[in-house]
Amino acid sequence: NAGVTQTPKFQVLKTGQSMTLQCAQDMNHEYMSWYRQDPGMGLRLIHYSVGAGITDQGEVPNGYNVSRSTTEDFPLRLLSAAPSQTSVYFCASSYSLDPEDTQYFGPGTRLTVL
Amino acid sequence: AQKITQTQPGMFVQEKEAVTLDCTYDTSDQSYGLFWYKQPSSGEMIFLIYQGSYDEQNATEGRYSLNFQKARKSANLVISASQLGDSAMYFCAMREIPSNTGKLIFGQGTTLQVKP
Repeated sequence: NAGVTQTPKFQVLKTGQSMTLQCAQDMNHEYMSWYRQDPGMGLRLIHYSVGAGITDQGEVPNGYNVSRSTTEDFPLRLLSAAPSQTSVYFCASSYSLDPEDTQYFGPGTRLTVL
Repeated sequence: AQKITQTQPGMFVQEKEAVTLDCTYDTSDQSYGLFWYKQPSSGEMIFLIYQGSYDEQNATEGRYSLNFQKARKSANLVISASQLGDSAMYFCAMREIPSNTGKLIFGQGTTLQVKP
């Protein structure tokens, strides 16, 4: 059972470049989300989706776009990378918004923007 | 606004001993959920335990238990019989209930090192 997968594991970008971080889950989860983890700040919510075709902004959405064309996939796009976007990015999913439904996290993508 | 505070940046514990990781929270919500996650050096976030604010009994999951004191707004994680594999960073998190966003508010984390 693959769970939540993320690609790539590591990425180095130059300022101004664009890229897409991939996230996929095979658990038929309706809810998916993206967080970023910065040193000393814990994780912060970027964007989330409560089902295919439905996305919304989280706490720190600027500079990022998302789409949810299928239940399985929830890619995160960096439109024009900035050094402030250097971070570790986590994708998470759960069956529903019920807090007793465990949110499972992917292994993370470590992004460096030069 | 909701806030999670973990005041212990780093902790040491001897193998086979119990350890308590502190977590205090601030919220004006009547209903909320409290979570603990483990992040080993490999980087993934692993769910450990959940406590609902409406639960009268403390949650337990194997060697993990959550010492929930609602009046003091604390949700400490207790790990019994520590193992070397418990060395990791631990995050306390909370979420409002109900939630339209599923947003988890995380603390800064506590690094635990288990000594042989």
